[in-house]
Amino acid sequence: RKEVEQDPGPFNVPEGATVAFNCTYSNSASQSFFWYRQDCRKEPKLLMSVYSSGNEDGRFTAQLNRASQYISLLIRDSKLSDSATYLCVVRGTGRRALTFGSGTRLQVQP
Amino acid sequence: DAGVTQSPTHLIKTRGQHVTLRCSPISGHKSVSWYQQVLGQGPQFIFQYYEKEERGRGNFPDRFSARQFPNYSSELNVNALLLGDSALYLCASSLEGSGSGLSYEQYFGPGTRLTVT
Repeated sequence: RKEVEQDPGPFNVPEGATVAFNCTYSNSASQSFFWYRQDCRKEPKLLMSVYSSGNEDGRFTAQLNRASQYISLLIRDSKLSDSATYLCVVRGTGRRALTFGSGTRLQVQP
Repeated sequence: DAGVTQSPTHLIKTRGQHVTLRCSPISGHKSVSWYQQVLGQGPQFIFQYYEKEERGRGNFPDRFSARQFPNYSSELNVNALLLGDSALYLCASSLEGSGSGLSYEQYFGPGTRLTVT
């Protein structure tokens, strides 16, 4: 079983739609959680950290469910510029390395 | 402020050769991590360095080595290149050691795209 699992997609949605990505992680001792965005042939860019209480940044909302070992990202009012691969990332206790999922590809269509 | 910088941006090598990749972290960041990303997958952890000491190593062969310099820049070395080493090599910097959750956020450079023929 992979440490971090994501649906690879692609998710094809029209502009203005709301889309949700889910991610599960296997290590219950994981302490830090993040969503990164990666455009084609570019480096991953930190989108947001995910906190236990959930957090929101503009059109983006992230949720963490430690009991189910589940992280989600909700994008409201999708823009064409949101088209990218979204990487779910986990960091375990005592481990400084980040463990990445394989990513979920989003294509927002006009 | 400059972000993470990496050099070179692209590199073509033949099997058996050696390669050195370079990274400069964000000013004030003391930790550098290296990742390998092959097409269709997320980045895989190779090494992390903090204050010139190795803090972690991923599941990569001994052909991979790295070091960090007093100015916090870092080099990744790969010996005896194989075709399977062709990938995007990413360097990430973070604050580390500050004790705050924000110190765990890692910021990536543009990467070095290595092609082994």
